[in-house]
Amino acid sequence: QKEVEQNSGPLSVPEGAIASLNCTYSDRGSQSFFWYRQYSGKSPELIMFIYSNGDKEDGRFTAQLNKASQYVSLLIRDSQPSDSATYLCAPHNAGNMLTFGGGTRLMVKP
Amino acid sequence: GAGVSQSPSNKVTEKGKDVELRCDPISGHTALYWYRQSLGQGLEFLIYFQGNSAPDKSGLPSDRFSAERTGGSVSTLTIQRTQQEDSAVYLCASSLGNRVRAYEQYFGPGTRLTVT
Repeated sequence: QKEVEQNSGPLSVPEGAIASLNCTYSDRGSQSFFWYRQYSGKSPELIMFIYSNGDKEDGRFTAQLNKASQYVSLLIRDSQPSDSATYLCAPHNAGNMLTFGGGTRLMVKP
Repeated sequence: GAGVSQSPSNKVTEKGKDVELRCDPISGHTALYWYRQSLGQGLEFLIYFQGNSAPDKSGLPSDRFSAERTGGSVSTLTIQRTQQEDSAVYLCASSLGNRVRAYEQYFGPGTRLTVT
């Protein structure tokens, strides 16, 4: 089992819809969780982090964390074509580093 | 403020040559990371520096790869006797280290290495 699992996609949603990106992780000791967005040909950029169970909202983005189920998700409301990118889930591990998932490619169609 | 910078942005080298890639982290960031990303693939961790501690080299793929960090700031990743499979984008990231919100990593623009 991979340490961080993400569906590679592509996940295709129409403009204005909610995009739901999911991630499961194996390290029960992970306490902090990060979502990065990577546009094609660019480097990853941090868009959200969450430390506590429940939801955290930031603009059109909502991160959801369920530590008991070892599951973290990212919801993007009112999806825009500019949201089309690969989204990387990254739990923080005991080695003081982030473990990156393979990413989910999101395509928002006008 | 200034972000993470990397140089060169592109490097084309012949198989068997050595290359050096440079990373200048965000000022004040004590942790520095190197990753590799092959075309269409995920991030592959290479090496991690934290302050003056011994680096975590567990991700280096072979002994042809080495890295150093001078004065707790600038880092150089060296690849000796390059092979075609070394072709990838090499990304550097830095973070604050062992402090509040210490784990947020900020990435540089990367160096695209092509071995011919």
